[in-house]
Amino acid sequence: DIQMTQSPSSLSASVGDRVTITCRASQSISSYLNWYQQKPGKAPKLLIYAASSLQSGVPSRFSGSGSGTDFTLTISSLQPEDFATYYCQQSYSTPATFGPGTKVDIK
Amino acid sequence: QVTLKESGPVLVKPTETLTLTCTVSGFSLSNARMGVSWIRQPPGKALEWLAHIFSNDEKSYSTSLKSRLTISKDTSKSQVVLTMTNMDPVDTATYYCARIAHQPPGTTTAYYYYYMDVWGKGTTVTVSS
Repeated sequence: DIQMTQSPSSLSASVGDRVTITCRASQSISSYLNWYQQKPGKAPKLLIYAASSLQSGVPSRFSGSGSGTDFTLTISSLQPEDFATYYCQQSYSTPATFGPGTKVDIK
Repeated sequence: QVTLKESGPVLVKPTETLTLTCTVSGFSLSNARMGVSWIRQPPGKALEWLAHIFSNDEKSYSTSLKSRLTISKDTSKSQVVLTMTNMDPVDTATYYCARIAHQPPGTTTAYYYYYMDVWGKGTTVTVSS
């Protein structure tokens, strides 16, 4: 199975900050990487697919980059509604696997 | 509007078999390359992918849970069913189903891109005697 890691596991940031979350795969997954946002008590929401494609309806302050084993989710200007946990997920091979998550909270 | 709704027991006893149903609307389980995944999340923990099934009946399972899981679909009822045998308290979690959408490969990639674009609200299952 492909293992996914994320860093940091948590971070504190202020509204307006630029936030970067890193995801790493245990082997090359090309650009088969998706990002999800989850708020407490809610189902996850798709943000980014294919490493850098913005899902319809997702604000443009979210962006994704990377290929191979290293990927990044960037929030260009953190908004109050962005405080949540973010997960990466690889779709390169089955079984699909998620990263452990990165919790973004208010500084 | 695409929706998915999970249903099943709230409480199961250890060693029992859990049966969860995902009822979908707004799309057909027979659409080409369409699929449904099951994912779970224990309280306070990360997401864990469990299984998926596609319109062509291709199935895949979590490596660690493969011996306990069975996924199936009833296209006429727009339902995907997941069974998990020999339930244990560590299986206490919120169980989600999600639609698998796809995009064709790019100029430098070989395979379709798959991602879970619409999720159900989840159903919480507690395993306790």
